[in-house]
Amino acid sequence: GDSVTQMEGPVTLSEEAFLTINCTYTATGYPSLFWYVQYPGEGLQLLLKATKADDKGSNKGFEATYRKETTSFHLEKGSVQVSDSAVYFCALRPSNTGNQFYFGTGTSLTVIP
Amino acid sequence: DVKVTQSSRYLVKRTGEKVFLECVQDMDHENMFWYRQDPGLGLRLIYFSYDVKMKEKGDIPEGYSVSREKKERFSLILESASTNQTSMYLCASFFSGRIHGELFFGEGSRLTVL
Repeated sequence: GDSVTQMEGPVTLSEEAFLTINCTYTATGYPSLFWYVQYPGEGLQLLLKATKADDKGSNKGFEATYRKETTSFHLEKGSVQVSDSAVYFCALRPSNTGNQFYFGTGTSLTVIP
Repeated sequence: DVKVTQSSRYLVKRTGEKVFLECVQDMDHENMFWYRQDPGLGLRLIYFSYDVKMKEKGDIPEGYSVSREKKERFSLILESASTNQTSMYLCASFFSGRIHGELFFGEGSRLTVL
């Protein structure tokens, strides 16, 4: 069945460090792929998305590229800030169903000054 | 912008109490979801609804029920709360008419059952 696997945390980085959070997926066809962010005490917000192979989603300095050949959608940021401390979720929406989403277990990021 | 509003951010209830968690969205989305979030387990789907009065069980429906009497409102009910239902509850909605549409989430309701 459809599923998402993302790297386990927690991840702790110093400010201005490079961030990668790995995400791989299992799905038939061409799912839509998403990264959501959850700041402390809040719900999830969409960070970025990509809807077809080789698409790059970007927002707030974060990027992720839809790699069909490796079934991956890794999240990257070149220089993290303390304000990026949050939990990040990778998710997919299958191409062949209308109303289901599948989430990874989340990766907690802490950025220290 | 889509707004998904959960009526209570924090609740404390006692074992055996009936608990209602309310969720309202303002963008005419036909699909609404209730998730439970626990450390290390990510998001787990409790129930979802794709239309008024329609409901489907998710992965962990035991101990929960839902109500969708109006399109904009989706309620989660704990008939008899237990301590293992202490958790963060997230409501979400989306419009399936957008092929690549995303889920919109509320801010969450943190429930503690004593």
